[in-house]
Amino acid sequence: QSVLTQPPSASGTPGQRVAISCSGGSSNIGSEYVNWYQQLPGTAPKLLIYNNNERPSGVPARFSGSKSGTSASLAISGLQSEDEADYYCAAWYDSLRAYVFGTGTKVTVL
Amino acid sequence: EVQLVESGGGLAQPGGSLRLSCAASGFSFSNYGMDWVRQAPGKGLEWVSYIGTSNDIYYADSVKGRFTISRDNAKNSLFLQMNSLRDGDTAVYYCARDPQGSRDFDLWGRGTLVTVSS
Repeated sequence: QSVLTQPPSASGTPGQRVAISCSGGSSNIGSEYVNWYQQLPGTAPKLLIYNNNERPSGVPARFSGSKSGTSASLAISGLQSEDEADYYCAAWYDSLRAYVFGTGTKVTVL
Repeated sequence: EVQLVESGGGLAQPGGSLRLSCAASGFSFSNYGMDWVRQAPGKGLEWVSYIGTSNDIYYADSVKGRFTISRDNAKNSLFLQMNSLRDGDTAVYYCARDPQGSRDFDLWGRGTLVTVSS
């Protein structure tokens, strides 16, 4: 029972834009950086976005992150078949002194 | 090569113990915070524990008092001692590199499976 809520699924056709929301509270997203992870089937997670909107080296520019208040969002522009994966938001939850992951969103490329 | 390799997983009985290890290579291990993250079969990611460069430590409530994180910088290794294991601890356990304790895990191992069952 995560404190960060994501939609269980999202989908789009190749080339479309898909957005995934992550809803939290004032003690986590509202006051901390949000990170996003991509987990391809059968593999370890990979850092996709850090500090709300920064992309690590090697992550394509079609991935972007944003934050407003107690919610964050990951957008995938120009969806590609290799983007089919599970996506997790995450943030530090200061009052719990714990790091929390979102519930996860499975992205399907139709 | 920059990598993390977990080991020590396996089958344990409820109430039993296991000790996981994570071997780091290709980077200056002592300069990084390190975390354990787990994933139960078919479920999402769950953060387990963090140890910083000054041995500051945090645990998830679900493992507090049962699990102990530690590190040996001379051996470039991270450990997780798991005691009083429960069925709910069954998961793949990943170690992850945590630059400056900011929890943006920029390097992950492949994971080691822990199964708790009688």
